[in-house]
Amino acid sequence: NAGVMQNPRHLVRRRGQEARLRCSPMKGHSHVYWYRQLPEEGLKFMVYLQKENIIDESGMPKERFSAEFPKEGPSILRIQQVVRGDSAAYFCASSPGTANTEAFFGQGTRLTVV
Amino acid sequence: GIQVEQSPPDLILQEGANSTLRCNFSDSVNNLQWFHQNPWGQLINLFYIPSGTKQNGRLSATTVATERYSLLYISSSQTTDSGVYFCAVVGGSWGKLQFGAGTQVVVTP
Repeated sequence: NAGVMQNPRHLVRRRGQEARLRCSPMKGHSHVYWYRQLPEEGLKFMVYLQKENIIDESGMPKERFSAEFPKEGPSILRIQQVVRGDSAAYFCASSPGTANTEAFFGQGTRLTVV
Repeated sequence: GIQVEQSPPDLILQEGANSTLRCNFSDSVNNLQWFHQNPWGQLINLFYIPSGTKQNGRLSATTVATERYSLLYISSSQTTDSGVYFCAVVGGSWGKLQFGAGTQVVVTP
């Protein structure tokens, strides 16, 4: 049973470009969460999705950031017109249920904006 | 939202030593997890422990939900235990995890 798969592991983008981060949840998991970790900081919640639905995006910046979890395929976190401050590690987690279930994390995507 | 405080912020241990890490949270929780972030940045699940005590090898954890804290015990520490240990809780009905700031552990040979 493969774990949570994220790709790419490392992504370098120039300012103004778009970044697309992918996350395939564990088999049987329909709940996906994205978190961001800035250098030397803890993880901060961004968005929670179930298949085809955004449930909670309270941690997502209002502009340039979007997320989706289509019926088929991985969840995508999209950052448009990246800026230096977007440089961070982005982690995806999945779980089989909501509050009372264990979440498992992918290895993260390290985004560097140059 | 729920506040999560971890202590100590930093810990330096000699190989073989024991240690206790603490996580305090400000409200009742539905879920509490401990993670180890290794020096390569990978987040590893240690315990899913909303209440009670669990053990896994040299690591054990206890959560006293009524008093709003959890403890992670590391015994006979090894250099591979180095990294950051995070406590994270879920306070609401969604599975959104609120992370503490972490405890940076360095184990020296």
